[in-house]
Order: sequence, then structure tokens, then C-alpha cells
Amino acid sequence: AAGVIQSPRHLIKEKRETATLKCYPIPRHDTVYWYQQGPGQDPQFLISFYEKMQSDKGSIPDRFSAQQFSDYHSELNMSSLELGDSALYFCASRGAMKRDEQFFGPGTRLTVL
Amino acid sequence: DAKTTQPNSMESNEEEPVHLPCNHSTISGTDYIHWYRQLPSQGPEYVIHGLTSNVNNRMASLAIAEDRKSSTLILHRATLRDAAVYYCILRDGLRRASGSRLTFGEGTQLTVNP
Repeated sequence: AAGVIQSPRHLIKEKRETATLKCYPIPRHDTVYWYQQGPGQDPQFLISFYEKMQSDKGSIPDRFSAQQFSDYHSELNMSSLELGDSALYFCASRGAMKRDEQFFGPGTRLTVL
Repeated sequence: DAKTTQPNSMESNEEEPVHLPCNHSTISGTDYIHWYRQLPSQGPEYVIHGLTSNVNNRMASLAIAEDRKSSTLILHRATLRDAAVYYCILRDGLRRASGSRLTFGEGTQLTVNP
């Protein structure tokens, strides 16, 4: 079965650079979530989109922005990167058939040097 | 938001049942109880969820106390592949937009011994 795809899987950036993370949800899933997991920490919700509109916002820094496109893929844009942004970034998607279940991707590991 | 409390770690032997407890004494009537697990170097994975009644699926069983202030995730026969961090998460069923986010707390690290 198709799963959530995230790209790139690994990304290394310098401080103050920008990064773009991409998420391709499971086909026919209409909701996308972004989570950040710092080293040794638990995942923290950043932002979500339902039918291409932002549906919820968590502890996402102002330096970050995200959107969901017409094909339902989503991108997380991160600017002025800081060392503390180094983390695993997970995307999850949810479909109409299983509203109570989020399907997570493998994550993008971002390292800021 | 209602809070959950889980033991930091638990150990089990392979092929034995595992009971992972979760306390949620401030749970509201509309909170669903969800369990996710995160295997090493992977994204979280849905395990099971319930509201009031006990639930079974191919992965596990969820036993919910009558007063709903606690629940137990039951793995009937632990395997080495079940070694993971298990998260007990409450989700408000009434909050359609914000209610669907998952708020991860400090889960339970399950170690399975061969």
C-alpha cells in the first residue's frame, strides 16, 4: 500500500540558510500534519492543512511557513535556520475513510551546522 | 488539555503478554484515547483507539476503565519488533479542526527481551 512520502530524507544546512521540506500524502488523503521531533524529545505538532486550507497551528516559529497545494502535497519552508531547528520533521496524512488515524511518513532529518 | 501519565519504561520477554498502563484522570467525556508507537528511526504508527468500550484489533487490545480515568494497552504476545516508545494520547472528539492534532507526551519505552 502507498505510504506517506517525504523528501529529502536528510538535509544539511548552515545557520541562516533556508530549507524546504516536502510531503506527499497517501492518495485521496485530504489532511496533512507536520510534526517536529528534536533529539531525545517527543514529536511536537507544528501545523496542519485540510483541503488545502490551514486547519490548525501549533508551536511553529514565525520563521517557518507551510502550505498545501492543489495536488494535496505539502511543503514546509524554513528560513533563517538556527542550530535548534536540527530535528526530525514528520509529515502525517489522514483520509476520509479512517478519520481517527494519522499515517506518518519516514521523516526528514534536518541538521543545521 | 487533559494530560496522560505513563511509566517511563517497561520490560517484557518475547512471546509474553505486555500491559502498558496510562493514567488520564482529567479526561473529559468527549476525549478519545489513542495509542501510537514509534519504532527506532521511524515515524509514529497508529496502534488503536477507543472512547468507552474495550477495543481489539490485529495489533493490540485496549482496555478502558469504567470511569475512563485510566486505560491499558495490551500486546498479547510481544515480539522483538514490538520494542518501541508507546504513546497514550487524548484527542477531543468535538474539536474537529484543532482536535485532530496529536499531542505527544512522554511515552513508555518498551524493551522486549529475547
